[in-house]
Amino acid sequence: DQQVKQNSPSLSVQEGRISILNCDYTNSMFDYFLWYKKYPAEGPTFLISISSIKDKNEDGRFTVFLNKSAKHLSLHIVPSQPGDSAVYFCAAVAIQGAQKLVFGQGTRLTINP
Amino acid sequence: NAGVTQTPKFQVLKTGQSMTLQCAQDMNHEYMSWYRQDPGMGLRLIHYSVGAGITDQGEVPNGYNVSRSTTEDFPLRLLSAAPSQTSVYFCASSRRTGAFNEKLFFGSGTQLSVL
Repeated sequence: DQQVKQNSPSLSVQEGRISILNCDYTNSMFDYFLWYKKYPAEGPTFLISISSIKDKNEDGRFTVFLNKSAKHLSLHIVPSQPGDSAVYFCAAVAIQGAQKLVFGQGTRLTINP
Repeated sequence: NAGVTQTPKFQVLKTGQSMTLQCAQDMNHEYMSWYRQDPGMGLRLIHYSVGAGITDQGEVPNGYNVSRSTTEDFPLRLLSAAPSQTSVYFCASSRRTGAFNEKLFFGSGTQLSVL
């Protein structure tokens, strides 16, 4: 049973426009959410996170929104740049989970010039 | 600053062979873990360790063993390789356990093929 789902395997966006990546979760015990970015032949790297006590967290061009009632979060990238082309993983953890992150399937984002 | 180092980067095994994937970190992180990445499945936790001498199972532990004799090293052993273990393996570490806002640092991965 996939507790964290990224239903879009891929997304293509024009350079300079907004990229929106979505993530849904089913476990109501999750209370911290993270986004990781992965380039080919490299390990994932941390991008941005959000606690369940917030509904928005912003870091430069990246903003994560959390809708607890819908069990949905999204990552907005504005403006999108060619270097943003990568696979993005959503992850969730429960406070009791001792860092046992649960990852989504990933979304491959391609930024077209 | 090396961070998390995984060796080898690529490996081909025959069914039934055993091998050890190496992972070392130089950040004095207490928490270390192993994930596997498969198409359409995301990253799934195999085993993790909250400190030297302590290990526990993750989501998909069958067919794998781990040990943590030092803070720095966390090897993953495949006892008898099977084609279902063909995957990309990532080792990760973080500074504290139970502190859910401590982000994981990942190695660059080991691509394993079992024929």
